[in-house]
Amino acid sequence: AQKITQTQPGMFVQEKEAVTLDCTYDTSDQSYGLFWYKQPSSGEMIFLIYQGSYDEQNATEGRYSLNFQKARKSANLVISASQLGDSAMYFCAMREPYSGGGADGLTFGKGTHLIIQP
Amino acid sequence: DSGVTQTPKHLITATGQRVTLRCSPRSGDLSVYWYQQSLDQGLQFLIQYYNGEERAKGNILERFSAQQFPDLHSELNLSSLELGDSALYFCASSVGDSFPLGYTFGSGTRLTVV
Repeated sequence: AQKITQTQPGMFVQEKEAVTLDCTYDTSDQSYGLFWYKQPSSGEMIFLIYQGSYDEQNATEGRYSLNFQKARKSANLVISASQLGDSAMYFCAMREPYSGGGADGLTFGKGTHLIIQP
Repeated sequence: DSGVTQTPKHLITATGQRVTLRCSPRSGDLSVYWYQQSLDQGLQFLIQYYNGEERAKGNILERFSAQQFPDLHSELNLSSLELGDSALYFCASSVGDSFPLGYTFGSGTRLTVV
């Protein structure tokens, strides 16, 4: 089973509209972290937002917010007032602790290609 | 500029060859992570080093190896290259290896095997 599922391979959105990118995850750990990254066509990975599993409030970073629904294992990214520069691939990722006490690498979803139209 | 430096940015090589990708982490970061991004496999975690020691392994092939040096830079060695190894290879770094932490990614090395 996939650990991170992003069900929207591509999305077209009008400029200035709000966007919700879906992400569901699968883990049996109580302690984990959820991340969203943006990858523009130039290829670099840009960190957007982080949510810890014990955080009671939804994370927000400027125009980005994370709609965290723990019981549903959902961590959707919301972009308010979309801009043309938001056109990019968006990846949801999860970090789970490993038995050694530190943290393992990130597990990424397959991504959503977001295109903002003027 | 993220502070994580990867060289070279682009690499074209033939099948069967060996290449070395280099990563300098952000100043103060002790952990280095390597990821592979390919069209068919997506983004996959390969390996993590913390302060010179291997800390975690992901889907890294036996033909691939890595190390982290005393100055904390890391190298990913890819040998007996195949066409399917063509991908974007990312390095990321973080301060420690304790959970939870975020990463800073480098801009990647695009490897093309012909």
